[in-house]
This record gives sequence, structure tokens and C-alpha cells, in this order.
Amino acid sequence: AQKITQTQPGMFVQEKEAVTLDCTYDTSDQSYGLFWYKQPSSGEMIFLIYQGSYDEQNATEGRYSLNFQKARKSANLVISASQLGDSAMYFCAMREGMDSSYKLIFGSGTRLLVRP
Amino acid sequence: DAGVIQSPRHEVTEMGQEVTLRCKPISGHDYLFWYRQTMMRGLELLIYFNNNVPIDDSGMPEDRFSAKMPNASFSTLKIQPSEPRDSAVYFCASSISGGVTEAFFGQGTRLTVV
Repeated sequence: AQKITQTQPGMFVQEKEAVTLDCTYDTSDQSYGLFWYKQPSSGEMIFLIYQGSYDEQNATEGRYSLNFQKARKSANLVISASQLGDSAMYFCAMREGMDSSYKLIFGSGTRLLVRP
Repeated sequence: DAGVIQSPRHEVTEMGQEVTLRCKPISGHDYLFWYRQTMMRGLELLIYFNNNVPIDDSGMPEDRFSAKMPNASFSTLKIQPSEPRDSAVYFCASSISGGVTEAFFGQGTRLTVV
């Protein structure tokens, strides 16, 4: 079964607008972490934002925020004021077993294209 | 810190040859991950180590793949013999335990098996 599901293979957004990238996850662990990474066309993996399962507030990092809905097991990434440089692949990832295994697995990704 | 260092950046080899990919994690990190990225299968976790010990190798596709971590500053992923379907980008990543931190990725090795 898929542990991390990203249902949007590709998305468009107009420059300066906000966009939400969806991510749902499946785990029976109580302690876990959720991550978002960006992969531009150059290929490197860039960490964007993290949300812990026990964090009560949604994580924010500059223009990035994470809309964490624990009961629905979703961790959507919101990018505000999109820029052309935001065009990239975006991966949601989960680390299960935060108290033990630290296994980090990724979703299939969403390709975001920012239009000028 | 220089970050996670992978070598080579690009590798082209003939089918049947042995391929060795190398990774130097960030100093002080006690977790090391090997991933493979393809268009068809996305980012797959192949194996990961904690304190140089393999913890989970369930993602290693076949016996042709092997990984070692002889010390805290070096790991290898070996494919022997290589096949065209092994063509992919292989990433190494490291992270630290004792808190919640992200995994830091190397630049990846693009492997092409012809």
C-alpha cells in the first residue's frame, strides 16, 4: 500500500498567486514526521519544511506553509506568492518510527510550473 | 561543511560491468540512506544505515545490489553485474538522530548502463 500519496502529477500556477500541493499519508505510528522537498531541473533535493506529528501548529518557513490535518492524514504544502523559480518537482516524504527506525519514504511527486 | 558528497556524478558503463557508487555523509550524521530515482518508480529507498549498521535493506532490488558502510564517513553501493534497467539517478542522503531533522541529499550519481 502507498504510504505517501501525491495525487497531482502536474500543476500550473500564475506568478504571484498561491498554490497548494496535496499530500496524504498512511501510518499506524503515533510518532512520525512529514517533510517537503523541492527538486529543480538541476536535480538536487532541497529541504523545504517539516511537520511533526505532535506539533499542534502548522509549520511555516518563509513563503512555505504546511496545512497539517492529522485526522485526515494530510499534509499539504502551500506556497504563497509564487515565483518563477518555484517551478520544480515537489516531493512529500514521511519518516515513520521517529522513536526508532527513522525510515524516510517519498511520494511520487508533483511537478509545478509557474506561469509569468 | 561540504554537505553530502557523491562520486562519480555521472557514470556510463556497459551491461555486465561492475559499478561502484560512493558517498561521504555529513560529519556527525549517524543515518545514511541510499535512494534510486527513475521516471517510472520515483524515489525508492534502497537501504539505510544507522551507525554504520544496515537497518533495512528491503528496498534493494536484487542480489546484484550490495551496500556497505565500513566507517562513519564512507559508504558504497555496488551493482554487479549491471543491467540497462539499473539506469537511474542514485542519491545518498544523511541525517542525524536525537531530534527531528531533515535528511540532507548529495547531488546524485546519474548511472547509464548501455
